[in-house]
Amino acid sequence: EIVLTQSPDFQSVTPKEKVTITCRASQSISSSLHWYQQKPGQSPKVLIRYASQSISGVPSRFSGSGSGTDFTLTINSLEAEDAATYYCHQSSSLPHTFGPGTKVDIK
Amino acid sequence: QVQLQESGPGLVKPSETLSLTCTVSGGSVSSGTYYWSWLRQPPGKALEWIAYIHYSGNTIYNPSLKRRVAISVDTSKNQISLKVNSVTAADTAVYYCARADYGSSGWLPFDPWGQGTLVTVSS
Repeated sequence: EIVLTQSPDFQSVTPKEKVTITCRASQSISSSLHWYQQKPGQSPKVLIRYASQSISGVPSRFSGSGSGTDFTLTINSLEAEDAATYYCHQSSSLPHTFGPGTKVDIK
Repeated sequence: QVQLQESGPGLVKPSETLSLTCTVSGGSVSSGTYYWSWLRQPPGKALEWIAYIHYSGNTIYNPSLKRRVAISVDTSKNQISLKVNSVTAADTAVYYCARADYGSSGWLPFDPWGQGTLVTVSS
């Protein structure tokens, strides 16, 4: 099973700041890495697919990069509505797995 | 626009069987390459993928749960179901159904998701 680790676990950020969340896979997963945003009481929403591909309807301040074992989700100019927990998810090999999440709080 | 809605008992006693249903609207469970999935999220914890099913009947399970779970599809009702046997407190979670797709690039992300249903295992 591929294990995903995320850092940091928690980040408190001021609006308009840049946020960087990393996801590391226990073995190479090529670009089969997706990012989700989950707000309290809601189901996850996909932000980025295949490491860097944008999703229709997702604000352009969200971007992704990386391949192999190391990936990054970047939120440029954080807005208050971005307060949420962010998860990475690998679909390279079964069982598909998720990272533990990174909670982003607004100062 | 496809929408998914989970339904279930809310409370299940230890050692019993948990049964959940996901009703799909705005689209057909029999559509092409789509796989339908169940996932769960224990309170305050991360997400866990449970199983996939294709309308053809092809199923894929998470090995960690395979001995206790069964996923099925009812194309006439446009529903996907999940059964979890011999539940314990560790099975307490919000259970989600979601759609996935398998294409030339491999598995796409889960999208859309249902709103989820909380199942508590307690006597």
